[in-house]
Amino acid sequence: DGGITQSPKYLFRKEGQNVTLSCEQNLNHDAMYWYRQDPGQGLRLIYYSQIVNDFQKGDIAEGYSVSREKKESFPLTVTSAQKNPTAFYLCASSMIQDNQPQHFGDGTRLSIL
Amino acid sequence: RKEVEQDPGPFNVPEGATVAFNCTYSNSASQSFFWYRQDCRKEPKLLMSVYSSGNEDGRFTAQLNRASQYISLLIRDSKLSDSATYLCVVNTNAGKSTFGDGTTLTVKP
Repeated sequence: DGGITQSPKYLFRKEGQNVTLSCEQNLNHDAMYWYRQDPGQGLRLIYYSQIVNDFQKGDIAEGYSVSREKKESFPLTVTSAQKNPTAFYLCASSMIQDNQPQHFGDGTRLSIL
Repeated sequence: RKEVEQDPGPFNVPEGATVAFNCTYSNSASQSFFWYRQDCRKEPKLLMSVYSSGNEDGRFTAQLNRASQYISLLIRDSKLSDSATYLCVVNTNAGKSTFGDGTTLTVKP
């Protein structure tokens, strides 16, 4: 089935540790996005990429890093510089032409140990 | 002022009621518009696109008013299963999506 796969579903981070969240899509979408959602809040854009080997900061990029080496994959690293990483992380993808809607993976919940 | 604003609610309605949500946007260059539904602790899922002429999908009707820069979602004959948070999304020509913070609906028996 075509779709977006995020892993793991749950992740625990120790103080000072970097962790990487995986996002893979087989929809042949050009653009991929990472959002953070805190309880009771809306989505905030962390990073996005519209083409391989290129990405842009969103509204809350500090403490995060990404790479886009393949069209299908857009991993997000939560670095130790992100002091409040506990949140629900959502990856999405879309075609760029004709302003198509974004489709989401089922998310990763990150907590601090 | 936020680029996309929604009344956060919550809207508490009885089964069978009709309920409407509005969403305003500030960027007049916005090109496309969508409504998403998000259940508790789940990912947002596309509910419907919003077309200039308005569009309907079963009990759901979406409308766009470009002059006043708002979109709306009408739900008729509410079901318990309609309880969720509804997100309005606005795309600019640059392919960037801006999400509203969502309106929470609870349908009660």
